[in-house]
Amino acid sequence: EVQLLESGGGLVQPGGSLRLSCAASGFTFSSYAMSWVRQAPGKGLEWVSGISGSGGHIYYADSVKGRFTISRDNSKNTLYLQMNSLRAEDTALYYCAKTFYYASSRSFDYWGQGTLVTVSS
Amino acid sequence: EIVLTQSPGTLSLSPGERATLSCRASQSVSSDYLGWYQQKPGQAPRLLIYGASSRATGIPDRFSGSGSGTDFTLTISRLEPEDFAVYYCHQYGTSLPWTFGQGTKVEIK
Repeated sequence: EVQLLESGGGLVQPGGSLRLSCAASGFTFSSYAMSWVRQAPGKGLEWVSGISGSGGHIYYADSVKGRFTISRDNSKNTLYLQMNSLRAEDTALYYCAKTFYYASSRSFDYWGQGTLVTVSS
Repeated sequence: EIVLTQSPGTLSLSPGERATLSCRASQSVSSDYLGWYQQKPGQAPRLLIYGASSRATGIPDRFSGSGSGTDFTLTISRLEPEDFAVYYCHQYGTSLPWTFGQGTKVEIK
């Protein structure tokens, strides 16, 4: 059974830092791209960052580029998101999501339950 | 950036009725990269449809997707009580950023 378990969220002051983790199990972690997707309270979904299975290809939304760093440790089956220079608008529930491939299609087939990040003084 | 615009914002229907949800893209999206998700309160999103028209594992056949280019549709043929939720379309194409629509809420009338 595929499981994604996020951790590391919490309350942080503007300008502060947090490191999120997503522990994966139930699939060959290194074979799949992963992403972070966030959802501000009462709002829709926003893709934040993605990383290929090997970690060799990394992508960011403009809203976090230069402040957030995605990485993965395939030996530990864990995805990370280092978040620096946090702003109030980064307040959200952060999900990790596994990429699903079928032929030439792709989507996010499994999601964690999310970890809440609150940026406030 | 490809903007996905979903309509309507809210759909008020009764159980047993048909729901038709629209997702319009600001530029053409390959059908391979268009997906639909369902999200219930307090839960993570769940993949319903990938490749614009293929049902994900375990998804009932009352859910169907169609469309191409810039216009995509999610249809729920007969609403069950558990189908009342928010639905998002998503493009995971070759141009970044990957984007979601703003969501359509299907509520009980």
